[in-house]
Amino acid sequence: DTEVTQTPKHLVMGMTNKKSLKCEQHMGHRAMYWYKQKAKKPPELMFVYSYEKLSINESVPSRFSPECPNSSLLNLHLHALQPEDSALYLCASSRQVPDPYEQYFGPGTRLTVT
Amino acid sequence: RKEVEQDPGPFNVPEGATVAFNCTYSNSASQSFFWYRQDCRKEPKLLMSVYSSGNEDGRFTAQLNRASQYISLLIRDSKLSDSATYLCVVTANSGGSNYKLTFGKGTLLTVNP
Repeated sequence: DTEVTQTPKHLVMGMTNKKSLKCEQHMGHRAMYWYKQKAKKPPELMFVYSYEKLSINESVPSRFSPECPNSSLLNLHLHALQPEDSALYLCASSRQVPDPYEQYFGPGTRLTVT
Repeated sequence: RKEVEQDPGPFNVPEGATVAFNCTYSNSASQSFFWYRQDCRKEPKLLMSVYSSGNEDGRFTAQLNRASQYISLLIRDSKLSDSATYLCVVTANSGGSNYKLTFGKGTLLTVNP
């Protein structure tokens, strides 16, 4: 089963709201990722977790706060976002880091900031 | 030179055609190579890993030339369902024990009846 699930599918939030995106995988993968994708652009890496520890932060603004409660779950906490943060947020997982194994993506959360 | 560069497209081909996508990468230390496909408003899905010896999966053939830093994807007997954006993806060490996927901008393929 190569499934990564994400909730919610769609989210509309105001600039003063606090919300969280959730991601789950049951493939035993020990690396999990958050990406941001704008329309007609490739995904951009935001964060990498390896064995539940943050290993890469691609200079993401602090209004995005990742959390990895256990090896199957990955959250992205959102606070005081800007309209330009509206995008598709993708979660992915892979067997491990290092070792550049294939990544499997979830369906994404389509976020609109108003 | 961009890290990963793909044919800009779009490609419009009739059903049954053979279509080839090309991709070049700038980091000679890159270690793994993949083709993903992405349907409109969906997530990227892994299509194939790409190996130096070349690999084939049904109608799809991927090739890697490390000396030229070049990757290709060939689709034979294209189907309407092949219509998607094809993303060339390269993995390289980004410092210490960290690896990072770098995506090309993608090439849009439309297969017409």
